[in-house]
Amino acid sequence: GEDVEQSLFLSVREGDSSVINCTYTDSSSTYLYWYKQEPGAGLQLLTYIFSNMDMKQDQRLTVLLNKKDKHLSLRIADTQTGDSAIYFCAERRGGGFKTIFGAGTRLFVKA
Amino acid sequence: DSGVTQTPKHLITATGQRVTLRCSPRSGDLSVYWYQQSLDQGLQFLIHYYNGEERAKGNILERFSAQQFPDLHSELNLSSLELGDSALYFCASSVLGQGDEVTFGSGTRLTVV
Repeated sequence: GEDVEQSLFLSVREGDSSVINCTYTDSSSTYLYWYKQEPGAGLQLLTYIFSNMDMKQDQRLTVLLNKKDKHLSLRIADTQTGDSAIYFCAERRGGGFKTIFGAGTRLFVKA
Repeated sequence: DSGVTQTPKHLITATGQRVTLRCSPRSGDLSVYWYQQSLDQGLQFLIHYYNGEERAKGNILERFSAQQFPDLHSELNLSSLELGDSALYFCASSVLGQGDEVTFGSGTRLTVV
């Protein structure tokens, strides 16, 4: 199908690690993205990974890509209350100009 | 401030009406994208313009249209509005539109009553 799939909710305790998972659809997708949306705001690009990479680390964020399973994950280390937001996974379809977003995972961080 | 400016921030209108949402891309960006975010549909890609030309269409209704002007700002026109059109409409821009980083505006919240 056309959908990028994510679980809708995730709840973690402050200081724990959060792992948000995503399954995308197009094996020829060139770029895979993670965006963060805070209440009342637009989407902010957190990080992205090229399809020829397996992993990308950026401070507290680690992105893992499993191309065989078309699975993408975002790990947030030492999760803080300020990380509470909706996290969107997105893929840019190969050969096209469309970026397809998942429905978003709402992360709740409990103090 | 992301550099992508959307106006108005909030809009309330009645069913059957027509509205125009406006977007100014980040300085230097040639591509403009429109997205609709609603509770039941999530974030849906509507349309992409590059340097004034339509490049890709997503789930955009026939009642909706868009254009990008020579100064690169874009407008999304929504007509014959229905209650289900109530949503957040985001504009985003990027330099080229070929896999480069996309920057989002803060959105226009449309409420149809």
